[in-house]
Amino acid sequence: EVQLVESGGGLVQTGGSLRLSCAASGFTFSNYWLHWVRLVPGKGLVWVSRITGDGSYTTYADSVKGRFTISRDNAKNTLYLQLNSLRAEDTAVYYCARDRAVGGMHYFDYWGQGTQVTVSS
Amino acid sequence: SYELTQPPSVSVSPGQTARITCSGDALPKKYAYWYQRKSGQAPVLVIYEDSKRPSGIPERFSGSSSGTLATLTISGAQVEDEAEYYCYSKDSRDNHEFGGGTKLTVL
Repeated sequence: EVQLVESGGGLVQTGGSLRLSCAASGFTFSNYWLHWVRLVPGKGLVWVSRITGDGSYTTYADSVKGRFTISRDNAKNTLYLQLNSLRAEDTAVYYCARDRAVGGMHYFDYWGQGTQVTVSS
Repeated sequence: SYELTQPPSVSVSPGQTARITCSGDALPKKYAYWYQRKSGQAPVLVIYEDSKRPSGIPERFSGSSSGTLATLTISGAQVEDEAEYYCYSKDSRDNHEFGGGTKLTVL
C-alpha cells in the first residue's frame, strides 16, 4: 500500500524557516517524481514544486522560487521541502504527492494527509 | 494566468445525481483529473484522463469532457461523498493548474 506521511509543519514568524518532510512507503521511491502541493485558505490547491526520481531536476511555482527548496533522500525514502523567508501568504496545508506520467501528461496519483504551516507576524 | 473555473458549491439530496463542472480553455487539448478532499484526509484521485476511474473508486463516480467543459458526475450521491472536489489539468505551457474547488453537500 502506497503511503505518504508529511511532518514538520508548525507556527512560524514572518521571515522564518521550516523544513517539511514526507516519508514514503509501499513503492520503489527512486522510480517516481514527487511534488509538493499546498491548500491555501480561500484559494484551494496550488502546485508548489516538483523533483525528478534521481533528484537531478527541480521546478518551482513562481510564488516560491528562490525561497523554497525541494530535495529528496532516496536511501531514506524521504522527500523534503525547505521553506525560507516565509510570508503570511505561505500559510497553508502542505501535501506531498506522487507523480504519475501517462503520454506526457503528469498528474498526482497518491497524496499524503498534509501538514499545516502557519506564518504569523 | 490560466484558470480552471468550478462552482463554489453544489448541493443534492442523498440518492440524487450531483454534477460538478470545470471550465478551462485548454481542456479540449488536455485531460482533466478530479480529486476528492475530505477535511484532515489525503486527497484522493477519483477520475483520471477525463473519464477513467481508479480501482477502488465506486462506480457512481464518472467523468466526461466536451470542448472546454469537464464534468464530474456522482450518480446516486451518498452522505459519505460530502467533500471538496478539485479539477486539475495543465495549461498550454504545461503548468499545473487546479480549479478553485467545489464543496459538495449531500443532505
